[in-house]
Amino acid sequence: SQQGEEDPQALSIQEGENATMNCSYKTSINNLQWYRQNSGRGLVHLILIRSNEREKHSGRLRVTLDTSKKSSSLLITASQAADTASYFCATAYNQGGKLIFGQGTELSVKP
Amino acid sequence: EAGVAQSPRYKIIEKRQSVAFWCNPISGHATLYWYQQILGQGPKLLIQFQNNGVVDDSQLPKDRFSAERLKGVDSTLKIQPAKLEDSAVYLCASSPLIRGGYGYTFGSGTRLTVV
Repeated sequence: SQQGEEDPQALSIQEGENATMNCSYKTSINNLQWYRQNSGRGLVHLILIRSNEREKHSGRLRVTLDTSKKSSSLLITASQAADTASYFCATAYNQGGKLIFGQGTELSVKP
Repeated sequence: EAGVAQSPRYKIIEKRQSVAFWCNPISGHATLYWYQQILGQGPKLLIQFQNNGVVDDSQLPKDRFSAERLKGVDSTLKIQPAKLEDSAVYLCASSPLIRGGYGYTFGSGTRLTVV
C-alpha cells in the first residue's frame, strides 16, 4: 500500500512562479525523500530530510517536514520550463529500509 | 560515476510468455531494489536485496515473479508467465548502506508491454 499521498495531483504554473507540493503520510518515519521523474525516464533523487529535521534547502528547492502533522512540502522557487516533471515523495520507516512512494504530483511549467 | 544500468529498454511480449530484465547497480552499492511502476502511479517495491540476500519480497507475486542477485552485484528479475496487468515500467535502484538513510539512484527502467 502507498504510504504517502501527494497533493495536488496536478499543478500548472507560469515560468517564474513558485510551485508548492504537499505530501502526507500515515506512520512514523526515519526519513522522507523527494524525487523527480521526467516523462519516460527513471527517478532522480532531489533531497532527503530526516525525522529530526524541520527544513532543508538545495538550490531552488525548499523542503519542510512536520512530524506532528505527518506532512511534508516541497517548494520550487522561480520555476523554469525544465522543472516540468512528476514529483514523488517517498518515506522510509527506518534507516536502510525500503522507500514507499506516493502517487506523485504532475507539474507543468509553461514558458 | 556510472549510473544504474538496465536492459532492455523496451520489451513487448504476448501474455503467458516469459521475460527477464537485467540490472547493474552502481559499484559498491550494497542495496538493490526492483520497483514496478504502472502508468500514472508511483513506484511499488517488488523486492529489496542487501548484498546477495533478500531483505523484503513481501509484495513480489511469487507465483510468477522471481529475482536473484548473484555475487551481490548484478540482478535479474523474471516474469513467467506474464499477464496483461504486468504491463508497467520496471525500475531498478541501488543505494549504499549508510547510517541515517541515503537517496536511491534509479536506472532508466524497462518498459514492458504485455499484449
